Amino acid sequence: GAGVSQSPSNKVTEKGKDVELRCDPISGHTALYWYRQRLGQGLEFLIYFQGNSAPDKSGLPSDRFSAERTGESVSTLTIQRTQQEDSAVYLCASRLMGETEAFFGQGTRLTVV
Amino acid sequence: GESVGLHLPTLSVQEGDNSIINCAYSNSASDYFIWYKQESGKGPQFIIDIRSNMDKRQGQRVTVLLNKTVKHLSLQIAATQPGDSAVYFCAESAAGEKLTFGTGTRLTIIP
Repeated sequence: GAGVSQSPSNKVTEKGKDVELRCDPISGHTALYWYRQRLGQGLEFLIYFQGNSAPDKSGLPSDRFSAERTGESVSTLTIQRTQQEDSAVYLCASRLMGETEAFFGQGTRLTVV
Repeated sequence: GESVGLHLPTLSVQEGDNSIINCAYSNSASDYFIWYKQESGKGPQFIIDIRSNMDKRQGQRVTVLLNKTVKHLSLQIAATQPGDSAVYFCAESAAGEKLTFGTGTRLTIIP
């Protein structure tokens, strides 16, 4: 694909439900990031995958959040028992190894009602 | 440093003027820096990058300056246009590892 693809683009869910957000990175990019961006605010780091190394989960805000990545391809961010404060845009980015730019997807806008 | 939910600082500039957006980073081991532009409803887009062995890099209408002594990065946009209105983020990484974003600055170009 031409770029990072995220799905769905919008998701409305009821409080307490689980959601799964998907990210398809650029082929060949070994690094993948998830960020959260609340309305009018900056990018909050969530999790970072780099090749076969153990992921850096230091940004996950609670144990309701988890993410997986299959090899160097698709990643899924799961939020269990969603709360209203989870409402935000979730951005995924991928990057080649080393000192290169990260390419972002368009994000998934999550609204918890 | 990490963006931790702060509301964005803003900068308003008259169309045609130059703008300077500043960023302070915290990790002295960071050796690669990027500026991103984010327009409303879109993901961040790459503008320009710089490695720590340089202190200045120029692109089309944009210049990035790096001062490692005081851990400061700036983005200069020349002859600003309405399309430059966006949120601008700096990002840093060390040894090709995790990319950490700054708080961001909202730039508004006044026609």
